[in-house]
Amino acid sequence: EAGVTQSPTHLIKTRGQQATLRCSPISGHTSVYWYQQALGLGLQFLLWYDEGEERNRGNFPPRFSGRQFPNYSSELNVNALELEDSALYLCASSLSTGYEKLFFGSGTQLSVL
Amino acid sequence: AQRVTQPEKLLSVFKGAPVELKCNYSYSGSPELFWYVQYSRQRLQLLLRHISRESIKGFTADLNKGETSFHLKKPFAQEEDSAMYYCALYNAGNMLTFGGGTRLMVKP
Repeated sequence: EAGVTQSPTHLIKTRGQQATLRCSPISGHTSVYWYQQALGLGLQFLLWYDEGEERNRGNFPPRFSGRQFPNYSSELNVNALELEDSALYLCASSLSTGYEKLFFGSGTQLSVL
Repeated sequence: AQRVTQPEKLLSVFKGAPVELKCNYSYSGSPELFWYVQYSRQRLQLLLRHISRESIKGFTADLNKGETSFHLKKPFAQEEDSAMYYCALYNAGNMLTFGGGTRLMVKP
């Protein structure tokens, strides 16, 4: 069974540009979570999508947004990129009520120059 | 607001020595706590959760509500235990709050 897949693996952008990161959950999982892992800061919760709806978001500015598609895959968009947005972005999926076991992807390393 | 603190960024022990990775939390409700692990070049994965009261790969963790702690312990460390360990707290809103992580290095 395929795990959570994220693309691209690496993304290099310049300040002010927009970045789009993609995530495909495990088949049958309807919940998708996005986390930011910046150097020295651990994992910070960004967004949670379930059944196509945004259910919760962390303490991030509105330029961090996303969506979940009917097939439960998800996109994370970061507008007006800033240098401090450079981080590893991890996507995780679970069954709708399966918060106790998140399955993580390998992440997208975003570098903002 | 909930918070998870892992006071040690790095813990280095010799093979066969006991290991304790510390985790403290603050949360006003009834906590549900987890340990996640990331081995080198592998994905972050669930190690154990307090409600299961299980032992995985020789690791155990006991929830101490009085001390608001959920320390991860293993009596005899193995080299293959070397990894990054994250303590996490579940809260209403289906959100896991992670600590900053502790890198465990087990030396031969």
